[in-house]
Amino acid sequence: DVQLEESGGALVQPGGSLRLSCAVSGFIFETYDMNWVRQAPGKGLEWISYISKSGNTVYTADSVKGRFTFSRDNAKNFLFLQMTSLRVDDTAIYFCAREAYFRPGTYYDSWGRGTLVIVSS
Amino acid sequence: DILLTQSPATLSVSPGERANLSCRASQNIGNFLGWYQQKPGQAPRLLMYSGSMRATGTPARFSGSGTGTVFTLTINSLEPEDSAVYYCQQRTNWPPFTFGPGTKVEIK
Repeated sequence: DVQLEESGGALVQPGGSLRLSCAVSGFIFETYDMNWVRQAPGKGLEWISYISKSGNTVYTADSVKGRFTFSRDNAKNFLFLQMTSLRVDDTAIYFCAREAYFRPGTYYDSWGRGTLVIVSS
Repeated sequence: DILLTQSPATLSVSPGERANLSCRASQNIGNFLGWYQQKPGQAPRLLMYSGSMRATGTPARFSGSGTGTVFTLTINSLEPEDSAVYYCQQRTNWPPFTFGPGTKVEIK
């Protein structure tokens, strides 16, 4: 079974840092592009990052650019999200999502359950 | 950036009726559009891809149409389990890969 499991969510003060992880299993991780999507409480989905299979290409939403860093460890089957300079409006559930090829495009066919980040003083 | 708008924001439908959900893109995205369903407390689930193709496990009562800038998700013979928020997302090669604001489908 394909599984994605996020961890690392916590309560953190504004200006603080946090590292989220997404552990994957049940598929060959290095053959899939991955994404992070977040959802503020009671709000819609916000795409924040894409990372290619190799990790060499990363796209980032303007809302987190310069503050969040995205990486992956294909040997250990992990996706990472390093968050710095956190703001109250970063409060959200953070999902990792696998990007699969559905000719001719790609879409998110598997998602983790998400991990909650609360930024508050 | 490509912006997506969805209408209506909320749709209240009786079981057995049809629901039509609209998604409009600010520029031509061909058929690079996906639909996701999210139920309370759950992760989103891919429902449709390429505008009109059902993902694995999507019931046949769901159908998608449209190309370019106007897309529609239709749910025929609505069932109580279809109560959810539905999001469209553009998946061209150009980030950001924005989602629409969502349409909440409520069962009367």
